[in-house]
Amino acid sequence: GAVVSQHPSWVICKSGTSVKIECRSLDFQATTMFWYRQFPKQSLMLMATSNEGSKATYEQGVEKDKFLINHASLTLSTLTVTSAHPEDSSFYICSAISGRGYGYTFGSGTRLTVV
Amino acid sequence: QQPVQSPQAVILREGEDAVINCSSSKALYSVHWYRQKHGEAPVFLMILLKGGEQKGHEKISASFNEKKQQSSLYLTASQLSYSGTYFCGTERGATNKLIFGTGTLLAVQP
Repeated sequence: GAVVSQHPSWVICKSGTSVKIECRSLDFQATTMFWYRQFPKQSLMLMATSNEGSKATYEQGVEKDKFLINHASLTLSTLTVTSAHPEDSSFYICSAISGRGYGYTFGSGTRLTVV
Repeated sequence: QQPVQSPQAVILREGEDAVINCSSSKALYSVHWYRQKHGEAPVFLMILLKGGEQKGHEKISASFNEKKQQSSLYLTASQLSYSGTYFCGTERGATNKLIFGTGTLLAVQP
């Protein structure tokens, strides 16, 4: 089955620093990947759509200069949280479509804690 | 605007049935269903691609009413492993963007 690997699983960083999260499709090519954020006891909120070889498309209210997305290859998308603050602490999850009709495959998620 | 799910939470005894509803204010292109365990990523359950479609796997099934912009997930003879938060997800048009519903917390007790 399709597998999406996300790394790291968790990270604790100091306020003001930047954090990079990687999302890789291991056994399929993903021209499009999606990044979600989930706060405790809430639903997953789509942050942005990552397109291979082009700029990401951000959802309304998401700061593109704060959440930098790079999709340099067909198997790798990265999300960098720049100048992180405690309110950025959340569960970040990436996903990709492995094939029409098969739903979306999710990475295992990254729990970010900013102290 | 995200789809609204009902109920928000439900507690079942093992072996009981449950229905989770998903309703959208906008036209639906397809409906996905996922289950998420605490601290983990969502796991794909099934996708319904067209109105009138019904689909099932073992004791979990779903239906999609395109005209009413609704979908329902049916859990029959629930098991302890069914516990988790269930999300519907909808795609709008052909954008491939998956928008998650508000979620339904399901707890199955022995």
